[in-house]
This record gives sequence, C-alpha cells and structure tokens, in this order.
Amino acid sequence: GDSVTQMEGPVTLSEEAFLTINCTYTATGYPSLFWYVQYPGEGLQLLLKATKADDKGSNKGFEATYRKETTSFHLEKGSVQVSDSAVYFCALLYNFNKFYFGSGTKLNVKP
Amino acid sequence: DAGVTQSPTHLIKTRGQQVTLRCSPKSGHDTVSWYQQALGQGPQFIFQYYEEEERQRGNFPDRFSGHQFPNYSSELNVNALLLGDSALYLCASSRSGEEFQPQHFGDGTRLSIL
Repeated sequence: GDSVTQMEGPVTLSEEAFLTINCTYTATGYPSLFWYVQYPGEGLQLLLKATKADDKGSNKGFEATYRKETTSFHLEKGSVQVSDSAVYFCALLYNFNKFYFGSGTKLNVKP
Repeated sequence: DAGVTQSPTHLIKTRGQQVTLRCSPKSGHDTVSWYQQALGQGPQFIFQYYEEEERQRGNFPDRFSGHQFPNYSSELNVNALLLGDSALYLCASSRSGEEFQPQHFGDGTRLSIL
C-alpha cells in the first residue's frame, strides 16, 4: 500500500547549518508530495509541494525535488535558523485527497 | 478569512465514555477529513466527508463515526473510549474538484483519556 518513510529524529543543528531531512515513499500511482511543518501546540502548516516528477517545491528557503526514479522527496535548506525548530512531516497525496504522512522529524536548531 | 477551526481545544474523558469533536472548514471548502495524531507520530487518516456522506475511511474501528452538516461543518464521534484513543485529533478541509491540492489543517483537539 501507499506509505511514507522519513528519517528519524531528532535532528540537532547549529544556526546557519545545512539541513537535509530524507523522505521516501511507496505509491501505486502518481501521487503529489508535500512537506508540512508543525510548531508546538499547533496544527500542520503546508511548507511546500510538488505534483509531478522532477518538480521542485520551495518556500521560505526550503526546497524539495520530486524524484520518481528514487521515489524520494528530501527536504533541504541551506542555512537554518532557530525559528525553523519544529516537527517536519513528509506526506503523500493520492486517491481522492487522502493523505499518508510520515512519522515526522523533529528539528532542533541551536543559536 | 477564517481558516479551519476546531473545538474544543482540549478535552479530558474517562474510559468507556463518548466524545464529540467539532470542525468548521475554511471558507469555500466543502470536504472535511479527520486525522488522529498520537504523540510522536504522524497523523493517521480516519475518514473524509463530502456532501454529508462518508466518502472514504481509514483503518479505524466503527467506534469512530462522523457527520457532516449542510453548512459543511463536521463532527467526529468516538464511543467506548479507550486509553489508546488519547491523541491530537486534526480536522482538514479542502475543495472538491481540486484533488492533489493541499488540505488546510486546524490546530486540533487534544483528547486525553484517563
């Protein structure tokens, strides 16, 4: 069945460090892929998306490229800030608006 | 423009009780989905409502039921509560005909079972 696998956290980085959070997926068709972010005590906020192979989603300095050949959608940012500390979820959207989420990766950024 | 709103924000129940959670979708949205997010986990799809009917369902028992009203708002009901039902319950809304577009999430209801 459809599923998403994320790298386990927590990931702890110093401010201005480079970030990569790995995400791979399994899908029977051609899903859309998303990254959501969740700050403490809040719901999920859409960070970026890609709807077809080779698309690159980007927002607030974050980027992810839809790689069909490796079934991956890794999240990257060149220089993280303390305010980026949150939990990041990779998600697959397929089959009538039903999301499959990864288990989340907690990011801690230290000043 | 109000986003997705959920009530209550927190709720404490005991085993065996029943609970009702409420959700108002974002303006212009007609489809509501419910998710359960256990501590330290990603959200798990419970079910989705469109045109006042359950359109699809995840792997949850019949103790979980829902309803959608003509104004598109929705309720999630859970009967015979178990300790394992303790979680953050998230509501998400979207617009029909815009498949493959992101859903908008509320801040959730934190349900604690004692």
